[in-house]
Amino acid sequence: ELKVEQNPLFLSMQEGKNYTIYCNYSTTSDRLYWYRQDPGKSLESLFVLLSNGAVKQEGRLMASLDTKARLSTLHITAAVHDLSATYFCAVDGLDRDDKIIFGKGTRLHILP
Amino acid sequence: NAGVTQTPKFRVLKTGQSMTLLCAQDMNHEYMYWYRQDPGMGLRLIHYSVGEGTTAKGEVPDGYNVSRLKKQNFLLGLESAAPSQTSVYFCASRPRGRRFGELFFGEGSRLTVL
Repeated sequence: ELKVEQNPLFLSMQEGKNYTIYCNYSTTSDRLYWYRQDPGKSLESLFVLLSNGAVKQEGRLMASLDTKARLSTLHITAAVHDLSATYFCAVDGLDRDDKIIFGKGTRLHILP
Repeated sequence: NAGVTQTPKFRVLKTGQSMTLLCAQDMNHEYMYWYRQDPGMGLRLIHYSVGEGTTAKGEVPDGYNVSRLKKQNFLLGLESAAPSQTSVYFCASRPRGRRFGELFFGEGSRLTVL
C-alpha cells in the first residue's frame, strides 16, 4: 500500500534563508507532484516530476525526484513572505491502481 | 472554461441526513477523484474513477458512495451523515496518459455535520 510521508510538517523560517522539505514514499513510483495551498483556497499545481533525476525550478522553488531512494525534495532559496503556504507532495500509484496519495503537508511560515 | 466545478460550496447537515456532492469537469478527463481534507491530515482519497461507469475505493471509503454515470460528472454521496464527516471535500480530475499527471482541483465543498 502506498504511503507518503512529508517532513517537516511545520516550518517557521526567516526571510532570506534556505530550507528543504522532504517527501518519502513507500512503493515504486516515478511520478510525483508538488502542490501549494493558501488558507481557505484550493490546491495549485507547482511541479510535475515524471522520471528519476527530474529537476524542476520555478523562481525560488526547486523540486527534484530520486526514485531509487523514493524521495523528493522541495528546496526554497532565499525565502520571501509570499511563499508562506502549505505545500503538499503527492505520489502516483501508476498502473497498479491509479491512486494518487498525498502527504500530510508542510505548513510553511516565513517571518518578515 | 470552467474546469472543475463543485456544488454545493457549503452545506450544514444534521446527523443522519443524506446529501450528494456534485463534481463536474469540462476538460474531457477520464480520471476523477474525491478527497477530504482535515486539519493535520492532508488530503485523503475517498473514492476515484478511471472512466465512465467505473469507481474504486481509496484510503477512507467508509460512509461514502460514489457514481460516475456520465464522464463529466462524479457524485459523492453520504447516506447517513456523521459528525466525523465534517470536512472540506475536494474533487479533482486528470487526463489518462503517461505524459500527463497533475490533478486539476475544484474549489472545495465545506460540509459541517451537527
